[in-house]
Amino acid sequence: SQTIHQWPATLVQPVGSPLSLECTVEGTSNPNLYWYRQAAGRGLQLLFYSVGIGQISSEVPQNLSASRPQDRQFILSSKKLLLSDSGFYLCAWSEPRISGNTIYFGEGSWLTVV
Amino acid sequence: TQLLEQSPQFLSIQEGENLTVYCNSSSVFSSLQWYRQEPGEGPVLLVTVVTGGEVKKLKRLTFQFGDARKDSSLHITAAQPGDTGLYLCAGAWGGSNYKLTFGKGTLLTVNP
Repeated sequence: SQTIHQWPATLVQPVGSPLSLECTVEGTSNPNLYWYRQAAGRGLQLLFYSVGIGQISSEVPQNLSASRPQDRQFILSSKKLLLSDSGFYLCAWSEPRISGNTIYFGEGSWLTVV
Repeated sequence: TQLLEQSPQFLSIQEGENLTVYCNSSSVFSSLQWYRQEPGEGPVLLVTVVTGGEVKKLKRLTFQFGDARKDSSLHITAAQPGDTGLYLCAGAWGGSNYKLTFGKGTLLTVNP
């Protein structure tokens, strides 16, 4: 069966410091990968998605970047964090080229920028 | 940009009551999913619907997809405290079948 893991679960970082959140998926090949951010426990905003190694699409301009160095690894980064980057970050995956697309989420990472 | 509107935003009911939450868009979905999320955790998929008029049941939960595939509803019968959580709908449109757009959710509280 497929599993998804992301870490760290909780992070407190000062303004201006770098960020690296990592996500890995097991049990599937060439998944679509996603990073979402959720503010105030409500709707999810899609930040980045990837349909293959090295292929990253950004949905919104921001202080963050994403990379996919391996097929099942997705990394969210920032060189200098802002206060507004605080939130709940969710990595997710889906099967490629499957109709009725369903997304499966990781456990989430709480980021607090102080 | 396609938008999903969920209503109500907040719902607080007593154990044993029935409830319905809604998800609406002005665009036609190619597929729609419902998720449930508990605090501090990732959303968990409840159901996927793809056919207009489709009805799916999951124990006390009934999901309906509108005939025109622009709206959906989730009905819970005899709600229990364990049903408490944030209910999110998410839709995919046309050629962007690998991207989902989420609504802001309905925060349900079931009081014992």
